This record gives sequence, structure tokens and C-alpha cells, in this order.
Amino acid sequence: AQKITQTQPGMFVQEKEAVTLDCTYDTSDPSYGLFWYKQPSSGEMIFLIYQGSYDQQNATEGRYSLNFQKARKSANLVISASQLGDSAMYFCAMSSMLSGGYNKLIFGAGTRLAVHP
Amino acid sequence: ETGVTQSPTHLIKTRGQQVTLRCSSQSGHNTVSWYQQALGQGPQFIFQYYREEENGRGNFPPRFSGLQFPNYSSELNVNALELDDSALYLCASSLGSGGRNEQFFGPGTRLTVL
Repeated sequence: AQKITQTQPGMFVQEKEAVTLDCTYDTSDPSYGLFWYKQPSSGEMIFLIYQGSYDQQNATEGRYSLNFQKARKSANLVISASQLGDSAMYFCAMSSMLSGGYNKLIFGAGTRLAVHP
Repeated sequence: ETGVTQSPTHLIKTRGQQVTLRCSSQSGHNTVSWYQQALGQGPQFIFQYYREEENGRGNFPPRFSGLQFPNYSSELNVNALELDDSALYLCASSLGSGGRNEQFFGPGTRLTVL
């Protein structure tokens, strides 16, 4: 079964510190993509970062990096130098042919991040 | 470049009624996916439309149906509304239906069923 697990319902971090949000996935498809989205209280899902299963290097996008450990099936999001505006829900998602196609995203339950001044 | 838009923003219906939600895809995108996000949960895939044809469906009953128009905008229709249909409905557009195609989400329509 294709599944995403986010075990941290909520996380707190001090402004300017780094924080890691955990994500593990389960798939038997050798080709898949992993995504992280941010959802502020307004509801819109904002794309943060993508990692392909065959990518050799960990993805980075500005303050966001993805710690991809393929053997452990984990794809943790690292946010460096947290800002107050980073407070939001964060979702890990996966797509693969076995999940119904590369544009069908399977989401985890999310982690609520609160950044304190 | 115009982003993904959805209408209406909020909607209140009663059990048994029917509802139509609308989505305009980002300029140049030919694929639209719909997701249902219940309170406190991650989004669940409903279905996807690619060039006006349904191109994949999640575990939702037939009373959830959709359309995609020649301009690639899309509608989600839900018949015989149930209380559990109360959720945020998200539309996402992308270019193409295969490979690594980033999906751009709209702001969502919040549906309340009383």
C-alpha cells in the first residue's frame, strides 16, 4: 500500500533556529516523487520542495532542504533559520504510478509548526 | 501568469442537496485534480481530469462527479450531500499528467453541510 506517515502532530521552534519535520513513506514502486507543502490558515497549499526517487542529491530550495534517506524510506523536511511566517501546517506527499499516477498525490496527516519569537 | 482560482470561497448546504464547485486552472495547464480535506486531516485525492477526460479516481462514491471544459477549467459536483462531505475542497492544476509535474493549488472552497 502507498502510505505517508507524519508522526509529529505539532512542533515548536524558536525564531532563527532550525527545525526538522519527519516523514516516512511506504511504496513498492521504484519510481516515485516526494513533496512537501505548506498550508497556512488561509487554506492554500504552497509547494516547498520536491525529491525524485532517483535523485542522487538531497533537494534544496532556499531555507528548505529535504533529508532523503532512501533505505529508511524517510524524507524529512529541514527548515533553517525559522521565521514567524513559517508557522503553518506542513504536509508530506508522495506520487507514483502505483498510487494511480504521478499527478495523484497521497498526503500524510500533517505537522503543525509554531514558530515563537 | 494567472494562478489557480476557485469559487465560491465558502458554501453552506443541507443534507440531500447538490453542490457545484468551480476551478480555473493556471494559465497553460491542462490537468486539474480535486482533493477533499476534512478538518485536521491531509487532503484526499478525489479525481483528476486531463484534456477533458477523467484520468484517475480515488476512493469516492459516484455521487462525486466532475467535468473539465475546453479551456481546462473544471467543476466538481456532489449529489445527495451528507454531513461527512463537510470539508475544504482543493483544486490543483499542472501541465501534463505524467512524470514530475508540480501541482499548483487554489485557495479551496470550504463546504459546510448541515
